Amino acid sequence: GEDVEQSLFLSVREGDSSVINCTYTDSSSTYLYWYKQEPGAGLQLLTYIFSNMDMKQDQRLTVLLNKKDKHLSLRIADTQTGDSAIYFCADDGGSQGNLIFGKGTKLSVKP
Amino acid sequence: KAGVTQTPRYLIKTRGQQVTLSCSPISGHRSVSWYQQTPGQGLQFLFEYFSETQRNKGNFPGRFSGRQFSNSRSEMNVSTLELGDSALYLCASSPNLQNTQYFGPGTRLTVL
Repeated sequence: GEDVEQSLFLSVREGDSSVINCTYTDSSSTYLYWYKQEPGAGLQLLTYIFSNMDMKQDQRLTVLLNKKDKHLSLRIADTQTGDSAIYFCADDGGSQGNLIFGKGTKLSVKP
Repeated sequence: KAGVTQTPRYLIKTRGQQVTLSCSPISGHRSVSWYQQTPGQGLQFLFEYFSETQRNKGNFPGRFSGRQFSNSRSEMNVSTLELGDSALYLCASSPNLQNTQYFGPGTRLTVL
């Protein structure tokens, strides 16, 4: 079946940039998403990118998409301690409609 | 606009019991999806409803069922609970099928 993979952990210093990477296998994906989950909470939609775009910027967030390599990344500029959370990459499974999630990357931000 | 709401937020049940979870989508959203989140399996799709019809179903046993009402609110039911059903159950709504999904805070189910 279709799969989404992410590294499990990332640790950065406050003020640095964070880059979270994701690879996916579904070549029919239309949209790719980044969600954030804080402890005890649901998923917060951070941003998404249409599959025919290479880049999308939204304030401190930059999403890069390499469709040829099926590689997606999320860059968080000037990372703050409040950014500590688990970040999930998801693809929309093409025509299926349900989201296929990676296992999540736990971002730890050290002061 | 109010976000997706889920009730109850926490639930403790024993094996063999059944449970019903409720989800109210964002006003105007017509599609509701359910996901199960566990430490071992991560986030897995359960089912999707649109216009009171199940449009898509994940790979879960028949003990897991759901429905959607005419006001787009949705419920999911798990019968004959097993220890492995302990999880965070997340509901997501979207304006229509295959649109961006917005998640609720989840219902934490513990099966003893």
